[in-house]
Amino acid sequence: DAGVTQSPTHLIKTRGQQVTLRCSPKSGHDTVSWYQQALGQGPQFIFQYYEEEERQRGNFPDRFSGHQFPNYSSELNVNALLLGDSALYLCASSLEVRGNRLGNYGYTFGSGTRLTVV
Amino acid sequence: RKEVEQDPGPFNVPEGATVAFNCTYSNSASQSFFWYRQDCRKEPKLLMSVYSSGNEDGRFTAQLNRASQYISLLIRDSKLSDSATYLCVVKRDTGFQKLVFGTGTRLLVSP
Repeated sequence: DAGVTQSPTHLIKTRGQQVTLRCSPKSGHDTVSWYQQALGQGPQFIFQYYEEEERQRGNFPDRFSGHQFPNYSSELNVNALLLGDSALYLCASSLEVRGNRLGNYGYTFGSGTRLTVV
Repeated sequence: RKEVEQDPGPFNVPEGATVAFNCTYSNSASQSFFWYRQDCRKEPKLLMSVYSSGNEDGRFTAQLNRASQYISLLIRDSKLSDSATYLCVVKRDTGFQKLVFGTGTRLLVSP
């Protein structure tokens, strides 16, 4: 039973460039959330995808965009990279269970993509 | 003000010590609470959920005080392997669900 797979594991980009990060959710999961974790900080919610649509986003500029595919995998795109975008980008998958208001819905995190912008 | 606040530490304790971490949350709509553990440069992993009645898992005890919007984690008989960052996490169960993380508290257990 594969967990959450993220690629690439590490990436170095130059300011102004664009980057695409990829996430394959855990088998059986249909929802993907993306988080940014800067050094010394907790993960910050970027956005969540369900049924191929962005459901809500956190306090991130439009340079951050995403996509979810019919197989539930997802991409995170960041345009016009800034030095401050250097962080660990985490993908978490979960299962939407309507009417179940408790529990963490089996959130599973991938090991992340470490992005360095120089 | 951050939605979830934690003392970043680090907490330096000797093996065998008891250590407690605290966390406060500001959104009263939060309904689910968790402690996650994160090792250096790795992904967060669920340590335990936190229930209103308090709950225990081996050496770990979690408490929730909804009136004070306060969560705690107690680690007894600390082991070297407990060295990590402990993240306090809340989830609102209105609309769609998302996890909101605190900054994390770093624990260093020394021999």
